Amino acid sequence: DQQVKQNSPSLSVQEGRISILNCDYTNSMFDYFLWYKKYPAEGPTFLISISSIKDKNEDGRFTVFLNKSAKHLSLHIVPSQPGDSAVYFCAASAGYNFNKFYFGSGTKLNVKP
Amino acid sequence: DSGVTQTPKHLITATGQRVTLRCSPRSGDLSVYWYQQSLDQGLQFLIQYYNGEERAKGNILERFSAQQFPDLHSELNLSSLELGDSALYFCASSVSGLETQYFGPGTRLLVL
Repeated sequence: DQQVKQNSPSLSVQEGRISILNCDYTNSMFDYFLWYKKYPAEGPTFLISISSIKDKNEDGRFTVFLNKSAKHLSLHIVPSQPGDSAVYFCAASAGYNFNKFYFGSGTKLNVKP
Repeated sequence: DSGVTQTPKHLITATGQRVTLRCSPRSGDLSVYWYQQSLDQGLQFLIQYYNGEERAKGNILERFSAQQFPDLHSELNLSSLELGDSALYFCASSVSGLETQYFGPGTRLLVL
């Protein structure tokens, strides 16, 4: 049973436009969420996080939005750059406990020049 | 470069065999995590060690085991391998387990 779902396996966006990657979760106990980026032949790298006490967290071109009532989070990348082309994973955990993360299956973003 | 190293990068073996995957965490990190990523699947948390002791268990099969040594490197042992064990196995480390994790490049296991 997947507790974190990324329903779009791929997304293609033009350079300079906004990329919106979505993630849904089912466990209402989740209260900490992260996004990771993964390039081919490399491990995932941490991108941005948000705790449930916030509904938005911004870091440069990356913004994560959390809608707790909908159990939905999204990652916005503005403006998108070709170097952003990668697989993006969302992850969630319950409590301030990073022992067990639940990951989505990833969305492959392609930013076209 | 995350500072986490994993060996080997690739491993091809046959069903029924046993393999050992190795992970060296970032300098100073006490926690090591193991994840499995099967085709088109997300990362599945397998197990966590903290300073040599098992801290948390996820969806780890009984055929799989892990340990963390005094020098903090970790090994994941996979035995009685099945075709379905073919996957990318990632190791990650963090300072105390309460922060974000840094992932190694992964070991790609192919069971034929």
